[in-house]
Amino acid sequence: DAGVIQSPRHEVTEMGQEVTLRCKPISGHNSLFWYRQTMMRGLELLIYFNNNVPIDDSGMPEDRFSAKMPNASFSTLKIQPSEPRDSAVYFCASSSTIGDYEQYFGPGTRLTVT
Amino acid sequence: SQQGEEDPQALSIQEGENATMNCSYKTSINNLQWYRQNSGRGLVHLILIRSNEREKHSGRLRVTLDTSKKSSSLLITASRAADTASYFCATDPYSGGGADGLTFGKGTHLIIQP
Repeated sequence: DAGVIQSPRHEVTEMGQEVTLRCKPISGHNSLFWYRQTMMRGLELLIYFNNNVPIDDSGMPEDRFSAKMPNASFSTLKIQPSEPRDSAVYFCASSSTIGDYEQYFGPGTRLTVT
Repeated sequence: SQQGEEDPQALSIQEGENATMNCSYKTSINNLQWYRQNSGRGLVHLILIRSNEREKHSGRLRVTLDTSKKSSSLLITASRAADTASYFCATDPYSGGGADGLTFGKGTHLIIQP
């Protein structure tokens, strides 16, 4: 199994630009999570989906952030417009609802907004 | 907001020694999980302990959970240089069906001196 796949691995953009992060969960997993990691705030849950349906988006910082999961094998996290304070590593994780729900993380996307 | 708080924030020991990390949390949980993160990489799931369990082992790892004190500990025995990483506890606050987003602590940075 290829594991959780994220793209791009690195993104550098200018303030005001739109940024789209992509995630492919592990095949067969029906829960998908987006987290953000910074030195100041640590790892924060942004949003998660069960069976492609958003369950809890209370961690999404503001309306500039949006996430979609159009099918079981793909999700996007979009920031529009981006700001320097959005600079962070964004992780996608997936899990199965069978068993203990341990989460499998992707390698992350390091976003730098200048 | 951070649910878990790891203690200590940093730990440096000699190879072969045991390493103990502690985690405290604030609200009721369904389970508590420990993850490892190597520098610049994604998180790797290590072990999960359910709220009705008190101790669990996996290889060189031993996890304890005290729900009355809202605390957990992770013991790594016979440490190796490859164990150098950051270790995070994460709590799953809900019971019932479906996976839930985790709340992470800020982590313990473990350094194993060869």
